[in-house]
Amino acid sequence: KQEVTQIPAALSVPEGENLVLNCSFTDSAIYNLQWFRQDPGKGLTSLLLIQSSQREQTSGRLNASLDKSSGRSTLYIAASQPGDSATYLCAVRSWGTSGSRLTFGEGTQLTVNP
Amino acid sequence: DAGVTQSPTHLIKTRGQQVTLRCSPKSGHDTVSWYQQALGQGPQFIFQYYEEEERQRGNFPDRFSGHQFPNYSSELNVNALLLGDSALYLCASSRRLAGRPGEQYFGPGTRLTVT
Repeated sequence: KQEVTQIPAALSVPEGENLVLNCSFTDSAIYNLQWFRQDPGKGLTSLLLIQSSQREQTSGRLNASLDKSSGRSTLYIAASQPGDSATYLCAVRSWGTSGSRLTFGEGTQLTVNP
Repeated sequence: DAGVTQSPTHLIKTRGQQVTLRCSPKSGHDTVSWYQQALGQGPQFIFQYYEEEERQRGNFPDRFSGHQFPNYSSELNVNALLLGDSALYLCASSRRLAGRPGEQYFGPGTRLTVT
């Protein structure tokens, strides 16, 4: 059974700081890994998707890496801003002949202070 | 192009009642997945529908059932509601490409409160 763990559970940083969010998963047989952002009471916004054959993806100030063999991914946020305050969720995609599913971590709640 | 839509936005039900939540997938998508997100936790996979059949199921009791219609829209039904069913229910759609799963796009969710 796939299990996804995110560390830390919460993080509070001053504006402008670079930060790293960590995600680990127990089964390396994944199809892809995705990072999401969730604002309070809202749905999920996809930030970055890394296919199992890729090592990293970048979008603006965000960079996500994937080490499938060790079961780890990191999300790097450069020059953090108050608008980055949200919960960040890591999810791994498992795929079988019948279908696929995302398994999520519990998230990291990020607060960026002005 | 409309994204994934869900209805209703919010819902309040009493223990023991039944509820139906609805999801319309993004245009061109043929696969719908449902997730339950309790407060302060990550979403949990309920099930996935493709070609009007349940293809995968998470660890949820039979009280949770679903349906997919020919136009690819989907319903999630929950019978005999419990207080613990209070959560944000998220629908995600995707499109299979050559038998492989495409990226899932999420709707805004339906907030269910059971009293």
